[in-house]
Amino acid sequence: QVQLQESGPGLVKPSGTLSLTCAVSGGSISSSNWWSWVRQPPGKGLEWIGEIYHSGSTNYNPSLKSRVTISVDKSKNQFSLKLSSVTAADTAVYYCAREDGRAVAGTDYYYMDVWGKGTTVTVSS
Amino acid sequence: DIQMTQSPSSLSASVGDRVTITCRASQSISSYLNWYQQKPGKAPKLLIYAASSLQSGVPSRFSGSGSGTDFTLTISSLQPEDFATYYCQQSYSTPRSFGQGTKLEIK
Repeated sequence: QVQLQESGPGLVKPSGTLSLTCAVSGGSISSSNWWSWVRQPPGKGLEWIGEIYHSGSTNYNPSLKSRVTISVDKSKNQFSLKLSSVTAADTAVYYCAREDGRAVAGTDYYYMDVWGKGTTVTVSS
Repeated sequence: DIQMTQSPSSLSASVGDRVTITCRASQSISSYLNWYQQKPGKAPKLLIYAASSLQSGVPSRFSGSGSGTDFTLTISSLQPEDFATYYCQQSYSTPRSFGQGTKLEIK
């Protein structure tokens, strides 16, 4: 079955760029799925950051869009997140997830069914 | 953007209780509503998709209902492993959005 694993620096300096990678195993990143990033600040709820399709098409959260870039590397079967100009407010656990879809009564519905374990990123000098 | 609001934010209940959590969308999302369970230090786990479809492997004591703007997650008989935080999420449009979460605690 598909598994996801996040990796990247656990500490980023303020005003720097956060860079994370999500490795996909047990399946192909070129499957008919969108691949997402979700974050969770300490003690708070889940925030959707954005998603990418293997073609390179992306959708971003408008609240982060000016600072976010999500890219895909099909040769390595992975996708990546870059978040620029970080502040302490970007301190969070960052998850990658697969968005899959299924037809119910003739309509396609979408959900995030496979998640990485998450990686903690702290923004601090 | 679609805002998702859950109630209550926290809930105390006992093993064996029937529990209902509510999620409201700021506009109609048809049945594009998912429910997740999250335990401390773990990634979210999909429970329900398309408002009422049970994800494979999820116990049948979990059920979902609703359409349009109002949705519910019901746990028919709480088990010790069900004490966790629950989130709703809309997949009607991007940006995807989550409710703020409902923390289910042991009474």
